[in-house]
Amino acid sequence: KAGVTQTPRYLIKTRGQQVTLSCSPISGHRSVSWYQQTPGQGLQFLFEYFSETQRNKGNFPGRFSGRQFSNSRSEMNVSTLELGDSALYLCASSLGQGVDGGYTFGSGTRLTVV
Amino acid sequence: AQSVAQPEDQVNVAEGNPLTVKCTYSVSGNPYLFWYVQYPNRGLQFLLKYITGDNLVKGSYGFEAEFNKSQTSFHLKKPSALVSDSALYFCAVRDLDSNYQLIWGAGTKLIIKP
Repeated sequence: KAGVTQTPRYLIKTRGQQVTLSCSPISGHRSVSWYQQTPGQGLQFLFEYFSETQRNKGNFPGRFSGRQFSNSRSEMNVSTLELGDSALYLCASSLGQGVDGGYTFGSGTRLTVV
Repeated sequence: AQSVAQPEDQVNVAEGNPLTVKCTYSVSGNPYLFWYVQYPNRGLQFLLKYITGDNLVKGSYGFEAEFNKSQTSFHLKKPSALVSDSALYFCAVRDLDSNYQLIWGAGTKLIIKP
């Protein structure tokens, strides 16, 4: 079966622009989580959605937002991009609410802000 | 506060030798513990988990981990390392007091030399 699909794989944006990243979870998975990965900060949790509701949110500024659609696909948006937003953005899906940690990750979107 | 620590940024092992990647945790209740692996330019892949039961947990690719409650550790092990095991390894703990949010370690880079 198809895995978690993230689009696009690579993205270059300039400071001040906004960007939208997309994540299609494994068919049947209802939970989607987003992470930011950078060499200096490691893996930072952004937010988690389950059945279109945001269940958890990390410590990121309001420029970072997300949503989940009725088909479980999720998008995250970053407005007013800063150089420090350059990172690998990972999406992970799970069947239920992920208590048992059974997340499947996508390959990520590499965002470069110039 | 819940936390997980991976004390080594990098571990170097010769091929064929046993390997250990260390992880310690701090939670208020019973921990749910996980190991994930990340290969270059890829998302994270689930390796194994401890929820309850036998302290020795077996996972993918010949890896295993030992849960030690008294030492609050969950070290990842493999009897004989392969060059293909070279990757970034993440330990995570389920935070039962924070709506089941996963808390991630900083990651340990494992280098297996031929």
